[in-house]
Amino acid sequence: KQEVTQIPAALSVPEGENLVLNCSFTDSAIYNLQWFRQDPGKGLTSLLLIQSSQREQTSGRLNASLDKSSGRSTLYIAASQPGDSATYLCAVTTSGGFKTIFGAGTRLFVKA
Amino acid sequence: NAGVTQTPKFRILKIGQSMTLQCTQDMNHNYMYWYRQDPGMGLKLIYYSVGAGITDKGEVPNGYNVSRSTTEDFPLRLELAAPSQTSVYFCGIGSTDTQYFGPGTRLTVL
Repeated sequence: KQEVTQIPAALSVPEGENLVLNCSFTDSAIYNLQWFRQDPGKGLTSLLLIQSSQREQTSGRLNASLDKSSGRSTLYIAASQPGDSATYLCAVTTSGGFKTIFGAGTRLFVKA
Repeated sequence: NAGVTQTPKFRILKIGQSMTLQCTQDMNHNYMYWYRQDPGMGLKLIYYSVGAGITDKGEVPNGYNVSRSTTEDFPLRLELAAPSQTSVYFCGIGSTDTQYFGPGTRLTVL
């Protein structure tokens, strides 16, 4: 059974700091891995998607990496801003392509 | 939210009542999903559908039912509401490349 774990559960950093969020999964037979952002009381916004054949994806100040063999992904946020404060969720889609399993998320607070 | 509409936004139910959460999409995606999110937790898959007339159970299907008569609509039915079903419910659409989510329905069962 696929399980997704995110560490840390919460993180508080000063503005401008570079930071890394971690995601691990138990079954390496995945189709893809996706990082989402969720603002309080809101839905989910897709940030980056990495296919199982890829090693990383970049969008602006965000970079996500995938090491399928070790069951790990990281989301790197450069030069953090208060507007980055949100919960970041990692999700893996199983090789069947039909089921997506989410981690519990990392709550990020960037202090001005 | 990328063409996914959910109604209602909020609802309070009494134990034993029933209700249907509506989800409608206008992006013609075959895949549709229902998730629930409990406080401080990630999303858990309740049911999913890969096309009209086809549905299957996810991780936590007990106490729920779904139907998919059209590509656009994927309603989630709670027959006998229980306090354990207090949660935020998200409908999602997409494919193996990406997923889009509706704004959610916040349900409280008292």
